[in-house]
Amino acid sequence: EIVMTQSPVTLSVSPGERATLSCRASQSVSSNLAWYQQKPGQAPRLLIYGASTRATGIPGRFTGSGSGTEFTLTISSLQSEDFAVYYCQQYNNWPYTFGQGTKLEIK
Amino acid sequence: EVQLVESGGGLVQPGGSLRLSCAASGFTFSSYAMSWVRQAPGKGLEWVSRISGSGGSTYYADSVKGRFTISRDNSKNTLYLQMNSLRAEDTAVYYCAKDRYTISPSYMDVWGKGTTVTVSS
Repeated sequence: EIVMTQSPVTLSVSPGERATLSCRASQSVSSNLAWYQQKPGQAPRLLIYGASTRATGIPGRFTGSGSGTEFTLTISSLQSEDFAVYYCQQYNNWPYTFGQGTKLEIK
Repeated sequence: EVQLVESGGGLVQPGGSLRLSCAASGFTFSSYAMSWVRQAPGKGLEWVSRISGSGGSTYYADSVKGRFTISRDNSKNTLYLQMNSLRAEDTAVYYCAKDRYTISPSYMDVWGKGTTVTVSS
């Protein structure tokens, strides 16, 4: 099973600033990596797939990058609605596996 | 509008059974694989099971293999998860999710709101 490790666990950032979230895979997942956003009491929402392609309706301030084992989600100029938990997920191998999540909180 | 609506959650005793359903609308259901993903209270996401568009291929997490069975009825646009021999650690919100592809592994592009399963005596 591929282990996905996200860092940091919690990230405190001020509105308007940039946030950088990391996700590392225990073995290569090529570009088969997705990012999801989850707000309290809500279902996850797909943000990024293929490591760098924004899903439909996702604002341009969300940028995904990386391949192989190292991936990054960057959110430029944080808006109030961006404070949430973010998960990465690999879909290169069975079983699908998620990272433990990064909580992005207001500083 | 693409929509997934889960139902069937509730309180069940350890060792009991429960069947979850997920009603799909707004897309050609049989053209896409479907997954179940769960989230224990205060915890992260855990993929549980996946079924191909035709229903011919199924996959399970080791934690539920032999106890849970995923199935689908494409004539009713409905996904199911039969859960047997339930344990306390199966307590979670269970999400139904649409996979992007029919057969190949993929990300999940549409999610339901979830249904809560509580296993407790």
